[in-house]
Amino acid sequence: SQQGEEDPQALSIQEGENATMNCSYKTSINNLQWYRQNSGRGLVHLILIRSNEREKHSGRLRVTLDTSKKSSSLLITASRAADTASYFCATVLGGSQGNLIFGKGTKLSVKP
Amino acid sequence: KAGVTQTPRYLIKTRGQQVTLSCSPISGHRSVSWYQQTPGQGLQFLFEYFSETQRNKGNFPGRFSGRQFSNSRSEMNVSTLELGDSALYLCASSFTGGMGTEAFFGQGTRLTVV
Repeated sequence: SQQGEEDPQALSIQEGENATMNCSYKTSINNLQWYRQNSGRGLVHLILIRSNEREKHSGRLRVTLDTSKKSSSLLITASRAADTASYFCATVLGGSQGNLIFGKGTKLSVKP
Repeated sequence: KAGVTQTPRYLIKTRGQQVTLSCSPISGHRSVSWYQQTPGQGLQFLFEYFSETQRNKGNFPGRFSGRQFSNSRSEMNVSTLELGDSALYLCASSFTGGMGTEAFFGQGTRLTVV
């Protein structure tokens, strides 16, 4: 089934550096969402960007969406050790209801 | 307000048994979705319930079933457990589900089948 694919699978950076994660998907979407998961726990919603939006900000997070390339990126600026987690993009298919399709995730490690 | 509550948090079952997991959504939320997370397959959608009706279903065998009660609480049941059913089961609630809706996830139930 269609799925977002994050890149890279794993990322290790130092505190204070920026972290960029990318997500690609296959078919048209209604919106794309980013979630964070700390070590096998529940997912926390970070940001939602609709198909007619190109960029969105929330605190230290910046998300871009390029529907022509079917890709999105999540930028975390000035990263902290507490940002260590797995990050997932999830798409909602155009016309669907309530069905988030997740990618495999990017495992981010921020070293103090 | 209280978040999404899943019970139990951990469960160990034997192959062939059945299991029931529970999810209490955020007050006022009418949509509840269930996901299975495994290292190999990642996060996979099981089903979504809205106003006690299954509105959407993923590609899982009939051993996986669910229901939703009038207070929006939901349960999922897995019968005839297999080793491969070992996973983190996540429940998510939202006000209406559907397009453009943020989902709120519970902490999950870690099921181990031995």
